[in-house]
Amino acid sequence: DSGVTQTPKHLITATGQRVTLRCSPRSGDLSVYWYQQSLDQGLQFLIQYYNGEERAKGNILERFSAQQFPDLHSELNLSSLELGDSALYFCASSAIPSGGKSYGGNTGELFFGEGSRLTVL
Amino acid sequence: GQNIDQPTEMTATEGAIVQINCTYQTSGFNGLFWYQQHAGEAPTFLSYNVLDGLEEKGRFSSFLSRSKGYSYLLLKELQMKDSASYLCAVRGINTGGFKTIFGAGTRLFVKA
Repeated sequence: DSGVTQTPKHLITATGQRVTLRCSPRSGDLSVYWYQQSLDQGLQFLIQYYNGEERAKGNILERFSAQQFPDLHSELNLSSLELGDSALYFCASSAIPSGGKSYGGNTGELFFGEGSRLTVL
Repeated sequence: GQNIDQPTEMTATEGAIVQINCTYQTSGFNGLFWYQQHAGEAPTFLSYNVLDGLEEKGRFSSFLSRSKGYSYLLLKELQMKDSASYLCAVRGINTGGFKTIFGAGTRLFVKA
């Protein structure tokens, strides 16, 4: 158990609809990341939040938006859904990296939730 | 931008050693990670390199050469349960945020 919780685990919806995916990070982690993984594809970075603020952005579509709330949970909103949006959406959280054990700190590795599998019909 | 290349598939025999290579290009390098991902499951952290050299962790070792933009993951004493995808990931510092980009992954098949 990574300590990262994602809901829902599975979601089936129709084209044109809107869905919200939810993520609760590990206790104490301020950073939340969202990734998309289509069938047999690599993990595509969407967006990163730190303590409620957007910090880094990947190739996130304009139809997608995210936010991180004061209690540090995050939501990814997907709208005007298309067939190609069918994928596994992962949320990950991390502590602030501080160089790893070489510097007596932590690596800031990502802890992933189990993912939300979205199917658009 | 960032670019990561790793082989698509590899096959090895139980008990053997396998090396999975990764080359990358990035700006603001802040560490290279290897993750393991079984089909349909979440990736799990295996190793981290930020300085040049070898990091050893049980049956897994990872090497980094920052000047060459090169890393490898070495798996020893292969077991059937090691059949999975291995993801090379590079973290870059980008305008106040950490962006970790993943390669497409190397699917490893371990045969008896």
